[in-house]
Amino acid sequence: QLQLQESGPGLVKPSETLSLTCTVSGGSISSSSYYWGWIRQPPGKGLEWIGSIYYSGSTYYNPSLKSRVTISVDTSKNQFSLKLSSVTAADTAVYYCARQNIVVVPAARLDWFDPWGQGTLVTVSS
Amino acid sequence: EIVMTQSPATLSVSPGERATLSCRASQSVSSNLAWYQQKPGQAPRLLIYGASTRATGIPARFSGSGSGTEFTLTISSLQSEDFAVYYCQQYNNELTFGGGTKVEIK
Repeated sequence: QLQLQESGPGLVKPSETLSLTCTVSGGSISSSSYYWGWIRQPPGKGLEWIGSIYYSGSTYYNPSLKSRVTISVDTSKNQFSLKLSSVTAADTAVYYCARQNIVVVPAARLDWFDPWGQGTLVTVSS
Repeated sequence: EIVMTQSPATLSVSPGERATLSCRASQSVSSNLAWYQQKPGQAPRLLIYGASTRATGIPARFSGSGSGTEFTLTISSLQSEDFAVYYCQQYNNELTFGGGTKVEIK
């Protein structure tokens, strides 16, 4: 059974860089059938897709966050990571990682997320 | 960006009754729509993809319908474990979520 687990600091200072890692167990991150994504949820609010990565390193980012986001993958550790720079209080949220279904024919398309990690709360505060 | 609008924001339903949740897209997303259930303190769980296909292990009382810009999630007979927040997500063009519908006990 595939499981995902987020890890990283729960508190980040304004203007600094938020860094999180997602560890995948029970399956290989190098599967050709999936991307791996990050989604966040501010307290009491809805869901926002941040970005997704393929095992080869190919990435897609939410245009609204693209200038501040970097997602990378380490296939040897079965992990992928998120970096979000220049954070403000508006970046306070529960951050989730998830496996993402993809379609490659007739054109590449990122689809739904399943399963999700349990999420980790990151607070931006001095 | 495709904006997803869910209604109502809150739905009060008695156990055993039918619940109908709506999701509207600002432009056509074909059938590229998913539904998720989220309980307090938990991650979202995939219910439906392709607008109408139940995910593995999802009970038959959950059904999805619609295409284009109008979608519906129906829970035929609400069980106690179904009281939660439900989100729709389109994946036709980039990825965006609706604001959610909270299903509460009447």
